[in-house]
Amino acid sequence: DQQVKQNSPSLSVQEGRISILNCDYTNSMFDYFLWYKKYPAEGPTFLISISSIKDKNEDGRFTVFLNKSAKHLSLHIVPSQPGDSAVYFCAAGGAAGNKLTFGGGTRVLVKP
Amino acid sequence: NAGVTQTPKFQVLKTGQSMTLQCAQDMNHEYMSWYRQDPGMGLRLIHYSVGAGITDQGEVPNGYNVSRSTTEDFPLRLLSAAPSQTSVYFCASSSFSDRGLNGYTFGSGTRLTVV
Repeated sequence: DQQVKQNSPSLSVQEGRISILNCDYTNSMFDYFLWYKKYPAEGPTFLISISSIKDKNEDGRFTVFLNKSAKHLSLHIVPSQPGDSAVYFCAAGGAAGNKLTFGGGTRVLVKP
Repeated sequence: NAGVTQTPKFQVLKTGQSMTLQCAQDMNHEYMSWYRQDPGMGLRLIHYSVGAGITDQGEVPNGYNVSRSTTEDFPLRLLSAAPSQTSVYFCASSSFSDRGLNGYTFGSGTRLTVV
């Protein structure tokens, strides 16, 4: 039973346009959410997070939106750049200490 | 550079062999964990530790052992390797003080193939 799901395995977007990545969760005990970016042959790197008491958090080109009633979060990347091509994982935590539960990942390809 | 160091980067094992994946961090993080990454499955938690001498099971612990004798080190032991353990393994650490919102620090991974 996947508690965190990313239903789109891949996404292709033109450079300069917006990338929107989606994530759904089932456990209402999660109280914070994160996005990680992963390049091939590297470990995931932390991108942005949001607490469940907020509905939006912005950091430069990256914005995360949280809809608690729908148990849904999304990551917006504006404008998309070729260097953003990577696999993006959403993760949720807070249900049990520092443990994070990850989604299956979305591979983003930004075309020049 | 401060961070999480994993060794080896690549390993090929024969079915039934045992080995230890090493993980060390120099950030004095209390929390350490091991994940495996498989296509379409994301990152699944194998074992974790909240401090020296304390370990617990994650989502997929079978076939793996861990120990945490120091704050810095958190090795993962494969007892008798099976082809189903072919995967990429990541070690991660975090501090309790920045608990969730600043994320984990991950190592660069160990790619394991069991033949």
